[in-house]
Amino acid sequence: DAKTTQPNSMESNEEEPVHLPCNHSTISGTDYIHWYRQLPSQGPEYVIHGLTSNVNNRMASLAIAEDRKSSTLILHRATLRDAAVYYCILRDLDSGNTPLVFGKGTRLSVIA
Amino acid sequence: DTAVSQTPKYLVTQMGNDKSIKCEQNLGHDTMYWYKQDSKKFLKIMFSYNNKELIINETVPNRFSPKSPDKAHLNLHINSLELGDSAVYFCASSQGYGMNNEQFFGPGTRLTVL
Repeated sequence: DAKTTQPNSMESNEEEPVHLPCNHSTISGTDYIHWYRQLPSQGPEYVIHGLTSNVNNRMASLAIAEDRKSSTLILHRATLRDAAVYYCILRDLDSGNTPLVFGKGTRLSVIA
Repeated sequence: DTAVSQTPKYLVTQMGNDKSIKCEQNLGHDTMYWYKQDSKKFLKIMFSYNNKELIINETVPNRFSPKSPDKAHLNLHINSLELGDSAVYFCASSQGYGMNNEQFFGPGTRLTVL
């Protein structure tokens, strides 16, 4: 799996949008961009993934740069419950059921 | 219904003891994993099983022996526990190939070796 770079930490006010960046300059054409998050004292949970087009689901949006060398996870209205470590992970199309390779992630703090 | 469950949630034991952690998933997945999260919060894969067969062992000491009695269970037995084994252990499962292979994680087992 190719390497990703994320800021160590970010802070947001409650009810405001949060943009979590991820750089992946060595991404290959068959790498999907996955995001997981780990809430305090819990296991990681899947958030969203995409290849080229922007993606939306009930949890978040994923904006992917045109050259695919970076992406941004967008939480539209941060809540206290969104405080977590967010991991950006590249997965090859053929990775199938291979393990996830976690980096350090971004620790998001949400202020009331 | 809990998708991936682990027992126990906390485990405190002495150095040299042998202990087991159990994992069960009710998602019907074929693949199960054990990850270790150390005190610096790095999450790393230890083992991966597919249909009860070991497919990945990431240079984990022989003291760690996973056992999969059936597709829904992947237990982790640890012999001669050492201080460095203290960590949070997460079980996970996934199904299918291609990109529809979201991994589901259990709540973790915090192991403390004294």
